[in-house]
Amino acid sequence: DAGVIQSPRHEVTEMGQEVTLRCKPISGHDYLFWYRQTMMRGLELLIYFNNNVPIDDSGMPEDRFSAKMPNASFSTLKIQPSEPRDSAVYFCASSWVGGPEETQYFGPGTRLLVL
Amino acid sequence: SQKIEQNSEALNIQEGKTATLTCNYTNYSPAYLQWYRQDPGRGPVFLLLIRENEKEKRKERLKVTFDTTLKQSLFHITASQPADSATYLCALDMMDSSYKLIFGSGTRLLVRP
Repeated sequence: DAGVIQSPRHEVTEMGQEVTLRCKPISGHDYLFWYRQTMMRGLELLIYFNNNVPIDDSGMPEDRFSAKMPNASFSTLKIQPSEPRDSAVYFCASSWVGGPEETQYFGPGTRLLVL
Repeated sequence: SQKIEQNSEALNIQEGKTATLTCNYTNYSPAYLQWYRQDPGRGPVFLLLIRENEKEKRKERLKVTFDTTLKQSLFHITASQPADSATYLCALDMMDSSYKLIFGSGTRLLVRP
């Protein structure tokens, strides 16, 4: 398997623009997580899905952030409008609860810079 | 709320020595604790999981201990190599029957040749 795939790998945009981050989880995994990582706050969970259904979005910073999972192989995280404080690395991770351990498999991340 | 503390200062050791990293938590004892490795520009990679009823777990040169009395986990890398240089994150489950994890901020390990 190719692992968790994220695109784009890097994104530079101007304040106020819409940003869409994409994730393809590992086939067969039924949980999908979106994280944000910064030097100041570390790795923070934003939202997670189980079987394509959002379960907990309490980590989403504000209404400017939204996430969808239209099917088992694709998810998006959208920021509209973007602000400089949204600059961070965004990771998508997936897991398979039926597996031997409750581990999460992370993608390579999208490095977002909002000017 | 649960807080996780990992040493924010980098650990700098000589090749061949044992590296020991610490993860302390402040509130409830988790059902399990995980350790991940993160290299620059990459996502975290799972290394080991230890459950609350396990005192110790090993995998090749890695060893993890879990002391629920001290609210602490230790992560050891024996016979360390420069290739072990990375940031190591510990993560705890949320104890709410979800599969969410709380991550520590990580400790950077530098192994000198």
